[in-house]
Amino acid sequence: SAVISQKPSRDICQRGTSLTIQCQVDSQVTMMFWYRQQPGQSLTLIATANQGSEATYESGFVIDKFPISRPNLTFSTLTVSNMSPEDSSIYLCSVEDDLAGRSYNEQFFGPGTRLTVL
Amino acid sequence: AQSVTQLDSHVSVSEGTPVLLRCNYSSSYSPSLFWYVQHPNKGLQLLLKYTSAATLVKGINGFEAEFKKSETSFHLTKPSAHMSDAAEYFCVVSDHGSSNTGKLIFGQGTTLQVKP
Repeated sequence: SAVISQKPSRDICQRGTSLTIQCQVDSQVTMMFWYRQQPGQSLTLIATANQGSEATYESGFVIDKFPISRPNLTFSTLTVSNMSPEDSSIYLCSVEDDLAGRSYNEQFFGPGTRLTVL
Repeated sequence: AQSVTQLDSHVSVSEGTPVLLRCNYSSSYSPSLFWYVQHPNKGLQLLLKYTSAATLVKGINGFEAEFKKSETSFHLTKPSAHMSDAAEYFCVVSDHGSSNTGKLIFGQGTTLQVKP
């Protein structure tokens, strides 16, 4: 299975600022995903990021607020822009297990970035 | 559209007794189903997956789940709970063969408490 790391692991930020979260995978993968987990809640998909194309955002999430980069097959970033306390969440990246074939959609998750906005 | 319902937000068991975490799904296509576990301040770990092969799926740490199409259920069980099983458990569905291929839909989660 893929090994995924995220930076930073946690951060405390002031409202109105932006934070960029990095996701690094130890192998080349086609699809990467970004999720948000609000306090005490389940995971919600923010967007899907494929290398060489624009990210696809889910309903309720927009590129201006959550710009995503995917410069190569092992790396992606998510920026949380113009932050407010409501953005306080855990942000997780995941990758699909390409070796198993896309038909199974199994995903492996990074450890998450715990963001607190004051 | 696909969806997942975890029927219990909180389950409490005594150590050594069986665990049952219930999950029902809704899917327009042949689904893949997963159970993930999240320990406090740790990432998500895949427990097991159903991918249209055997309906009884065995996972890590003694967990298993049975896919029942007639009941649209995928309940997670373990014969004997251990203190280390205390965590948050998520039932997850993914559709393949539809335009939503690649997307995971998470249930709301079940908190498992294990009492000594």
